[in-house]
Order: sequence, then C-alpha cells, then structure tokens
Amino acid sequence: AQSVTQLDSQVPVFEEAPVELRCNYSSSVSVYLFWYVQYPNQGLQLLLKYLSGSTLVKSINGFEAEFNKSQTSFHLRKPSVHISDTAEYFCAVRIIQGAQKLVFGQGTRLTINP
Amino acid sequence: NAGVTQTPKFQVLKTGQSMTLQCAQDMNHEYMSWYRQDPGMGLRLIHYSVGAGITDQGEVPNGYNVSRSTTEDFPLRLLSAAPSQTSVYFCATARSGSYNEQFFGPGTRLTVL
Repeated sequence: AQSVTQLDSQVPVFEEAPVELRCNYSSSVSVYLFWYVQYPNQGLQLLLKYLSGSTLVKSINGFEAEFNKSQTSFHLRKPSVHISDTAEYFCAVRIIQGAQKLVFGQGTRLTINP
Repeated sequence: NAGVTQTPKFQVLKTGQSMTLQCAQDMNHEYMSWYRQDPGMGLRLIHYSVGAGITDQGEVPNGYNVSRSTTEDFPLRLLSAAPSQTSVYFCATARSGSYNEQFFGPGTRLTVL
C-alpha cells in the first residue's frame, strides 16, 4: 500500500518570503506524484505533477517541486509567495499500473502574512 | 460544459436518516470517485468506478453505497447517517488510461447531528 506524509500541518510565512512544503511518500511500486491546491471554500485543483522525465516540475504560478527517488520526497517550493497563495496544499501519489486511485497526505495550510 | 457538479452544497441530517449525494459530469469520463475530507486527515477514498456498471471500494467504504448506471452520474448513498460521517465530500472524475488528470467537484458539506 502507498502512504503520504506531509510533515507540516501549518506553515505561516511573510509575503515575498520563500516557502517549502514537505512531502514524503512510501510505496513498493513506482508512482506518479502530485500537488493539489485548495483555496478557501473550493474544490481541489491540480497544481503540478511528476510522471516521468525531468525530476524538477513547475507550475504556471511560480511553484516547483522536485522528485527525489532516493529520499522518496516531492517537496513543493516557491521563491517568493503572495497573499493569493494562501490555501491548503495536498501531496498525493498514484501507482502507475492500476486504477486511478489517489492517496493523499494530510494537507499543509499555507498562511501568508503581509 | 459544467464539468463536475455536486448537489446539495450543504446538508444537515439527524442520526439514522438516509440521503443521497449527487455527482454528475459532462466530460464523458470513465473514472469517477468519492472522497471525504476531514481536518488533519487529507482526502480519503470512499468508492470508485471505472465505468458504468462497475464499482469498487476505496479506503473507507463502510456506511456508504454507490452505483453507476450511467457514465454521467455517480451517486453516493448514506444508508443510516452517523455523526462520524460529518465531513466534506468531493466527487472526482478522470478519463481512463495510463495517466489522466482528475477533476474535482466543488464539494458537499454534510453535518450529522
């Protein structure tokens, strides 16, 4: 079975500061990796994904994540955050072979202070 | 296109009552699923379906039933609601295949008293 651990339940940062949201996973088979974002009172939206190829993946709004197979990690980073990045962020995995079931981490609430 | 729609947005039930949460999609996606979201626990898979007539259990299926008679609809039934089922419920859909993005509905907030 797969599992995902997000090490921080809440991360407060000041506007324009860098941020890293940590995600570690456990799986005996190869997986796809995802970060989803949930803005207040909304559903989840896909932020970025790692399927194969380059281990560094980027989103259109400045976030990036790096797949580290040896450390089984997929940390999310942004060099300079904005108030609009305030949201909850979920890391998720899905096994490559098989059904499209996602396994989510517990979520990290990112709060941006002015 | 409406994408993924869920009704109702909010619902309050008494213990023991039954109800159905509706999920509909107009994207012709084969895969549909139900998750529940609880604070500090992320999203957990309840049931999923890979096509009309085919359903399977996820991580937390107890107390919930599903059926998939059409491609478009995937209702979630609570047979006898319990306070432990107080949660936010999300429906998600995707095309089948090696990888396809999952699209989430806006959610249903359910309170069981």
